[in-house]
Amino acid sequence: QSALTQPASVSGSPGQSITISCTGSSSDIGTYDHVSWYQQFPGTPPKLILYDVRKRPSGVSPRFSGSKSGSAASLTISGLQADDEADYHCSSYTPTNSYVLFGGGTKLTVL
Amino acid sequence: EVQLLESGGGLVQPGGSLRLSCEASGLSIGSYGMSWVRQAPGKGLELVSAIRASDGSVYYGASVDGRFTMSRDISRNTLYLEVNSVGGEDAALYYCAKVLGWLSGGLGFWFDSWGQGILVTVSS
Repeated sequence: QSALTQPASVSGSPGQSITISCTGSSSDIGTYDHVSWYQQFPGTPPKLILYDVRKRPSGVSPRFSGSKSGSAASLTISGLQADDEADYHCSSYTPTNSYVLFGGGTKLTVL
Repeated sequence: EVQLLESGGGLVQPGGSLRLSCEASGLSIGSYGMSWVRQAPGKGLELVSAIRASDGSVYYGASVDGRFTMSRDISRNTLYLEVNSVGGEDAALYYCAKVLGWLSGGLGFWFDSWGQGILVTVSS
């Protein structure tokens, strides 16, 4: 069981927007704005798409956005495209001896 | 461009040992936090270990026990992960990743560059 909770799967049609949630606790997401998100295609390593809740690394599409409310963070993908179909993992800094927590990953299917 | 190339995986017998290497190019591993992250088949990501840039202090994930040892050779720009008494729970794809945040002198903890990963299979 992962420390952060993500839905196992989400789906959407091309052009729509989808949101993936990531629920932690008051000790991690609830206190620190150090949530990151990774996109992973089958057989490839994860790729950083957001860090510090809503910051995008250079080259990442603005269709990817992040937010946080309380102990939950969210990744929103707008204008869904077929090549967005991938697994998405959230992560949060934690001051405990775990250092960083991960969610179990969410499989996005583009219908 | 940052490139991280893992090696040393493969088939390991239960109770055996393994040593993974990660050769870095495009960055100096002494200037950044670095880590090993693993992913068991069909599972999520898990921090195995991480090393702080400034002083080489090593930190291990909460689920990792004393069988793991992470080190770095700055002159070779290479990271290492040694695992003793390998068990089935160690079977996974092991990634080498560059870490930003407090391990690199800032705040937070995130991974901005990843290697392709190296597979460790445990079987007799």
